[in-house]
Amino acid sequence: GQNIDQPTEMTATEGAIVQINCTYQTSGFNGLFWYQQHAGEAPTFLSYNVLDGLEEKGRFSSFLSRSKGYSYLLLKELQMKDSASYLCAVMDSNYQLIWGAGTKLIIKP
Amino acid sequence: GAVVSQHPSWVICKSGTSVKIECRSLDFQATTMFWYRQFPKQSLMLMATSNEGSKATYEQGVEKDKFLINHASLTLSTLTVTSAHPEDSSFYICSAGGQGVTEAFFGQGTRLTVV
Repeated sequence: GQNIDQPTEMTATEGAIVQINCTYQTSGFNGLFWYQQHAGEAPTFLSYNVLDGLEEKGRFSSFLSRSKGYSYLLLKELQMKDSASYLCAVMDSNYQLIWGAGTKLIIKP
Repeated sequence: GAVVSQHPSWVICKSGTSVKIECRSLDFQATTMFWYRQFPKQSLMLMATSNEGSKATYEQGVEKDKFLINHASLTLSTLTVTSAHPEDSSFYICSAGGQGVTEAFFGQGTRLTVV
């Protein structure tokens, strides 16, 4: 079956760095997405990786290793507004999105 | 986690016809439903947000007369693609949120192909 795993919840301190991992097993691969979602709001797109390596975008970076079925989202210089859920999603060979359950990130002062 | 069921998973229709996609929250009351569209290898694009019992709020560039959204109950929202054209072929996904639900849970998605 198809499966996306990510931690349920993480806690970090304002100003620090946090890495949210995502492992996947899917039938085919057409890219991996990370989304941020604040409570009560629609998810917003953060990143898309289809090739191995690190994609950097400001304070956020996303890494992909297709051979390991692994990705991580790295958040630097954490701010209180980064408290949100972070969703990992993989597009399979049929271009169907397989979603992880999301990681709730709690930022403490 | 909560379950959101979206139906159908895939549909093929002729150009000019209309297609209805259903999104149901199975174990919680979804006061808010989000409808997204996603083209291959692109991110999700929010089309509209609907609150139960009121008119949907459409994102800029989304034709409200073409993409009809109904959210008549706390467990069901529908998206109707009217007079579909090949360029409407895409992956449509709904997500649901509600009172006390801090995350939006996603349906499985619907792959629409207009021929």
